[in-house]
Amino acid sequence: EVKLEESGGGLVQPGMSVKLSCATSGFTFSDYWMEWVRQAPGKGLEWVAEIRNKANNYATYYGKSVKGRFTISRDDSKSIVYLQVNSIRSEDTGIYYCTRRKYWGQGVMVTVSS
Amino acid sequence: DIQMTQSPASLSASLGETVTIECRASEDIYSNLAWYQQKPGNSPQLLIYDANSLADGVPSRFSGSGSGTQYSLKINSLQSEDVASYFCQQYNNYPYTFGAGTKLELK
Repeated sequence: EVKLEESGGGLVQPGMSVKLSCATSGFTFSDYWMEWVRQAPGKGLEWVAEIRNKANNYATYYGKSVKGRFTISRDDSKSIVYLQVNSIRSEDTGIYYCTRRKYWGQGVMVTVSS
Repeated sequence: DIQMTQSPASLSASLGETVTIECRASEDIYSNLAWYQQKPGNSPQLLIYDANSLADGVPSRFSGSGSGTQYSLKINSLQSEDVASYFCQQYNNYPYTFGAGTKLELK
């Protein structure tokens, strides 16, 4: 059974950093591209970032609103994908989902507030 | 960036009815389009990929069609469990982009 489980969210002060993790199981993690998608409270879905696999040189891509502040990375030995969020803003508040498109985690809430 | 214009924003339909949701891309996305269903409090679920391929385990009353810049999701014989929000997403060009969503309710 494929499982994706996000962690690392919580209350974060504006301007600070947070690192989200997504632990996976049930599939050969190293074969797949992984993504992060977020959803502000009561709003729609926003694509955040993607990281490809080793065969594709671990290439990374970002949404316009997060480029330069967010960094996606992965540890194939642990089957974990990360999202480093720097210089966090109030508009970054929301649920962050780890996804392999067909499979999604339950999401982790990040709240930006002083 | 490719803009995805989804319509309608909300929709009210009766049980057993057929409903259609549409997405228009700002440029040709060559059928690199997915549809997701999201029920309140839940993660999104993939319904359709590559514009018209049904994801595993998705009921056959869901279907996708379209090409170029125009795509649609059709739900035949609406069931109560179909009450949800629906989102389209293009994955032809980075950054990938979602439509704003359609909230489907029962009449």
